[in-house]
Amino acid sequence: EVQLQESGPSLVKPSQTLSLTCSVTGDSITSGYWNWIRKFPGNKLEYMGYISYSGSTYYNPSLKSRISITRDTSKNQYYLQLNSVTTEDTATYYCASYYYGSSWFAYWGQGTLVTVSA
Amino acid sequence: DIQMTQTTSSLSASLGDRVTISCSASQGISNYLNWYQQKPDGTVKLLIYYTSSLHSGVPSRFSGSGSGTDYSLTISNLEPEDIATYYCQQYSKLPLTFGAGTKLELK
Repeated sequence: EVQLQESGPSLVKPSQTLSLTCSVTGDSITSGYWNWIRKFPGNKLEYMGYISYSGSTYYNPSLKSRISITRDTSKNQYYLQLNSVTTEDTATYYCASYYYGSSWFAYWGQGTLVTVSA
Repeated sequence: DIQMTQTTSSLSASLGDRVTISCSASQGISNYLNWYQQKPDGTVKLLIYYTSSLHSGVPSRFSGSGSGTDYSLTISNLEPEDIATYYCQQYSKLPLTFGAGTKLELK
């Protein structure tokens, strides 16, 4: 069974960098697409981007200047960095995956709440 | 970006009811529409993909339909474990976008 688990700081100060890790078991991140999605207070979901099986990336243009998604295939982990955060980046961050040829998120992590506050 | 609208933000229903949740897209999305369930503990599960295909392990009381810009999720016989928030998501164009969610509550 594919399982994803987010980890990282729960509190980040404004203007700093938000960094999260998604640890994957049950599948290799060298197959499929590995994504980040966030849910704001009030329930709005925003798609942030992916890193693919080949290492290529896509970022939501709304975030393009601030976001980076990278990976470590030896650890079967991938990462999110979001620079210059503000209080509006306070959200629950999810990692999720879909397979090549589909664009439905079949597997999700449980989510991690990140609060941006001084 | 394609905007996904779920006009009903919350919905009250009784156990055993047939419930329909609607979602509309700002342009045609050629059935590239998925549905997800988010439980109060934050757990998210895929229910329906490509408008009407039932994801593995999802009870058959869930079904999806639609075309063009208008889509719906139906729960045929509401069970207690179905109390959750439901989101639609389009994958016709990047960036992928979600509806605002419909929270299903017990009457």
